[in-house]
Amino acid sequence: GAGVSQTPSNKVTEKGKYVELRCDPISGHTALYWYRQSLGQGPEFLIYFQGTGAADDSGLPNDRFFAVRPEGSVSTLKIQRTERGDSAVYLCASSRQQGYEQYFGPGTRLTVT
Amino acid sequence: TQLLEQSPQFLSIQEGENLTVYCNSSSVFSSLQWYRQEPGEGPVLLVTVVTGGEVKKLKRLTFQFGDARKDSSLHITAAQPGDTGLYLCAGRGGGADGLTFGKGTHLIIQP
Repeated sequence: GAGVSQTPSNKVTEKGKYVELRCDPISGHTALYWYRQSLGQGPEFLIYFQGTGAADDSGLPNDRFFAVRPEGSVSTLKIQRTERGDSAVYLCASSRQQGYEQYFGPGTRLTVT
Repeated sequence: TQLLEQSPQFLSIQEGENLTVYCNSSSVFSSLQWYRQEPGEGPVLLVTVVTGGEVKKLKRLTFQFGDARKDSSLHITAAQPGDTGLYLCAGRGGGADGLTFGKGTHLIIQP
């Protein structure tokens, strides 16, 4: 079966611009997670959804970051007024439900110039 | 705040040698996962350990969860070039479902 997919695979944007990153979870998985991985670091938790609602958004660094999952499947991570420090690989993972094993997508590499 | 420290950060050894990497914390985790990540790809789940003292084997890889569920180790026997990659440990605990990751161990196996 298909794994977690993320689009785009690469995104280059200018400082101050708005970006959207998309995640398609494994079919039937109710929990969806966003992580950010900076160069040379392990992934850092941002937010997770159980169904349509954000169950824990404690990892979002500030209010420029927002994520939605309106129909309980596809999710979009939105970053406003991007800064150079936002440059990283943004990873999405899904699991059958909360508390189960998480399976990762290939990530979106965001570069803010 | 829960932290996971991995050691060593970098390891380069010859094919056929054995190695162990460590994942340590002062916090208790309800479960701990090991992932392997290749450049340009997302982490791939290798194993989940849940019970203190648990040992799991995956071919030449042996994973152990500490008795107190604060630490874990990954032992590779007779390493092969295909084992090269970034090994990440990740813990779930403290009532949170988001994983806490270590910084990873960069492993290079030279032929």
